[in-house]
Amino acid sequence: AQKITQTQPGMFVQEKEAVTLDCTYDTSDQSYGLFWYKQPSSGEMIFLIYQGSYDEQNATEGRYSLNFQKARKSANLVISASQLGDSAMYFCAMREISAGNNRKLIWGLGTSLAVNP
Amino acid sequence: EAQVTQNPRYLITVTGKKLTVTCSQNMNHEYMSWYRQDPGLGLRQIYYSMNVEVTDKGDVPEGYKVSRKEKRNFPLILESPSPNQTSLYFCASSAPRGEQYFGPGTRLTVT
Repeated sequence: AQKITQTQPGMFVQEKEAVTLDCTYDTSDQSYGLFWYKQPSSGEMIFLIYQGSYDEQNATEGRYSLNFQKARKSANLVISASQLGDSAMYFCAMREISAGNNRKLIWGLGTSLAVNP
Repeated sequence: EAQVTQNPRYLITVTGKKLTVTCSQNMNHEYMSWYRQDPGLGLRQIYYSMNVEVTDKGDVPEGYKVSRKEKRNFPLILESPSPNQTSLYFCASSAPRGEQYFGPGTRLTVT
């Protein structure tokens, strides 16, 4: 079974609008971390935001926020005021802290976001 | 500047010709990983290292070797590359919280 599911292969958003990229996860660990990465067409992987399973508040980093709903096991990325430079692949990932390889990140297959002018 | 460097960025080689992709980080991270990224398959961990002289297999280790003689360096070795190892390779190092910082990637083509 997939541990990280990103159900939206592709998304479009108008410039300056907000967009939500979905991520659901599956783990029996009580302690875990959730991450979002951006991969532009140039190929590099850029870390965006982190949410710990015990964090009571949703994480925010500039225009990025993470809508963390623990009971629903979802960790959606919200990008506010989209810019053309936000066009990229976005990956959700999870770290299970009690796992033997506990720094390993488990990855979703990504969502391709296109920002229209 | 905190960074992970990889070389080469692009490599075209022939089946069976041994190659090494270098990786170096300057963040004093203990944990480092190698990934390959293939369309439709996402990122898959090849090998990881929890510290100097401590390495272990990830999810797709066949055909690869690694070593970790120094904390900063974690080279990936393909002793006899085959066409199914054509891929985009990333080295990454992990901060204590778990976020991984990636090198720029190496696009490998094996003909």
